Amino acid sequence: DAGVTQSPTHLIKTRGQQVTLRCSPKSGHDTVSWYQQALGQGPQFIFQYYEEEERQRGNFPDRFSGHQFPNYSSELNVNALLLGDSALYLCASSFRDRDNEQFFGPGTRLTVL
Amino acid sequence: RKEVEQDPGPFNVPEGATVAFNCTYSNSASQSFFWYRQDCRKEPKLLMSVYSSGNEDGRFTAQLNRASQYISLLIRDSKLSDSATYLCVVGGFQKLVFGTGTRLLVSP
Repeated sequence: DAGVTQSPTHLIKTRGQQVTLRCSPKSGHDTVSWYQQALGQGPQFIFQYYEEEERQRGNFPDRFSGHQFPNYSSELNVNALLLGDSALYLCASSFRDRDNEQFFGPGTRLTVL
Repeated sequence: RKEVEQDPGPFNVPEGATVAFNCTYSNSASQSFFWYRQDCRKEPKLLMSVYSSGNEDGRFTAQLNRASQYISLLIRDSKLSDSATYLCVVGGFQKLVFGTGTRLLVSP
């Protein structure tokens, strides 16, 4: 039973570029949440997807957008990258009815130069 | 004020020591509570859920005080392998709210 997987593991971009991060949820899970973890901080909620729609959004600008596919996998897109977007991006999956029981993937470490 | 507040530490303790972490949260409507463990440059992993009645898992005991909006984690007989960052987490509506984490270093 595969857990949550994310790709790529590491990524280096320059300011102004765009990036797409990918996540496959744990088998059987239908809900995907994305978090940003800056160095020395706890993860911060970006948004959650269920049935291919954004259910809830944290305090992040519109440069952060997402998508969920019919197979429940998800993408996080960030446009016009800033230096401050450098962080570990974590994907978590869950069942819709138990969306606080979240299982995390290994994360994508994004560095913006 | 942060939604979930923790002492960032680090807590430096010798093997075998007992260590306690505390956390407070601001949203009285919160319904679920957890402690996660995060190793350096890894993802957070669920350590245990926290209930008002208190719960224990081996050397780990967690407690919730809803009236004070306070959550605690006690680790007894610390092991070297307990060295990690411990994240206090509160379940909100369709999201988890994390504290900044408390770093624990257990030394021989």
